[in-house]
Amino acid sequence: EADIYQTPRYLVIGTGKKITLECSQTMGHDKMYWYQQDPGMELHLIHYSYGVNSTEKGDLSSESTVSRIRTEHFPLTLESARPSHTSQYLCASSQDSGGARDEQFFGPGTRLTVL
Amino acid sequence: KNQVEQSPQSLIILEGKNCTLQCNYTVSPFSNLRWYKQDTGRGPVSLTIMTFSENTKSNGRYTATLDADTKQSSLHITASQLSDSASYICVVSDRGSTLGRLYFGRGTQLTVWP
Repeated sequence: EADIYQTPRYLVIGTGKKITLECSQTMGHDKMYWYQQDPGMELHLIHYSYGVNSTEKGDLSSESTVSRIRTEHFPLTLESARPSHTSQYLCASSQDSGGARDEQFFGPGTRLTVL
Repeated sequence: KNQVEQSPQSLIILEGKNCTLQCNYTVSPFSNLRWYKQDTGRGPVSLTIMTFSENTKSNGRYTATLDADTKQSSLHITASQLSDSASYICVVSDRGSTLGRLYFGRGTQLTVWP
């Protein structure tokens, strides 16, 4: 089992609240990712990072922001949560060996519900 | 447009039976294809990976096949168990960028009944 952790696992909050979803990995991976997944739908990449101080937006537009101050830590922040942000958020990481077999390891996910 | 299509959307089988899940893709240029298993409320876990030159890969009771010419893959599950109940996601990676962009299917929701 991969050493990538997400907290909290479940979060129910009211509209307008600021939240931070935590993601940590102990594998020393350079690349980290945030995906959003709705029930029965495919994963959508919302943010990624090549390494410390590197952050990029993904394919799906998101009002969230991320930071990468340490290699092992890649938190996602929503400044003002809305019901449209209700979803499952999955964090992943991969080693950048440049090979075709580089695997993304996923965390268990955070199920966010905004009332 | 790069896409990954999976069928069926959902499948119910009895414990001990075999089943085959399908994946068609249009991703180009192709790097590799993975099958992931995602239990409810959990993150996906990789089952198999195949690059362009590989046409079959096994992992226990899971056997994946790849036809790079027709851009089709299948995942065959033998002697199903209750713990096989999960969503099975086909993921194709391109090699057109440094990131190694991943394209996800919507998954096949498999339910195994006793």
